Amino acid sequence: IAGITQAPTSQILAAGRRMTLRCTQDMRHNAMYWYRQDLGLGLRLIHYSNTAGTTGKGEVPDGYSVSRANTDDFPLTLASAVPSQTSVYFCASTKTSGSTGELFFGEGSRLTVL
Amino acid sequence: GQNIDQPTEMTATEGAIVQINCTYQTSGFNGLFWYQQHAGEAPTFLSYNVLDGLEEKGRFSSFLSRSKGYSYLLLKELQMKDSASYLCAVRDQNYQLIWGAGTKLIIKP
Repeated sequence: IAGITQAPTSQILAAGRRMTLRCTQDMRHNAMYWYRQDLGLGLRLIHYSNTAGTTGKGEVPDGYSVSRANTDDFPLTLASAVPSQTSVYFCASTKTSGSTGELFFGEGSRLTVL
Repeated sequence: GQNIDQPTEMTATEGAIVQINCTYQTSGFNGLFWYQQHAGEAPTFLSYNVLDGLEEKGRFSSFLSRSKGYSYLLLKELQMKDSASYLCAVRDQNYQLIWGAGTKLIIKP
């Protein structure tokens, strides 16, 4: 089934540890995004990639890094996790960054940093 | 700054009609989206408006007034499965999506 796959779905992590959230899509979408969702707040953009080989910073990029080596994969790395990074993380994609098409979301990764 | 406002929570009765409002102030406008998000799940696309007026899709309709910075999502013949959060998002001049915090809709029998 075509779509976006995220892993892990849930993780508890000690502060200071490094963590990579994986995201893979098979829709050949050019644009991919990482959001975090916290209670009472809207989805906030962490990083994005308009096409393979390029990335950009969103609204809340500090403490996170991304790479886009190919079209399908867009991993998000927390170099040294802190408790404020406890959140639900969603990866999303759309055909092109300037398109009027909908965003497709992965099922989310729930991260708890202790 | 950019801002999307929508009510935090609404309650409605099964079979009734409910209107969820969204007002926005953004740097430019390139379309407004509504998404549905059930608890513990990912958001899913409901509707897209870029021109003023009403877009109807089955039981759901979405309205846009660009001059007023205003949209609403209208849900008719409410069903229990419509209990979810409804997210309003505006694509700004840079084609980035600005998201509201969402409206939690509670449907009562």
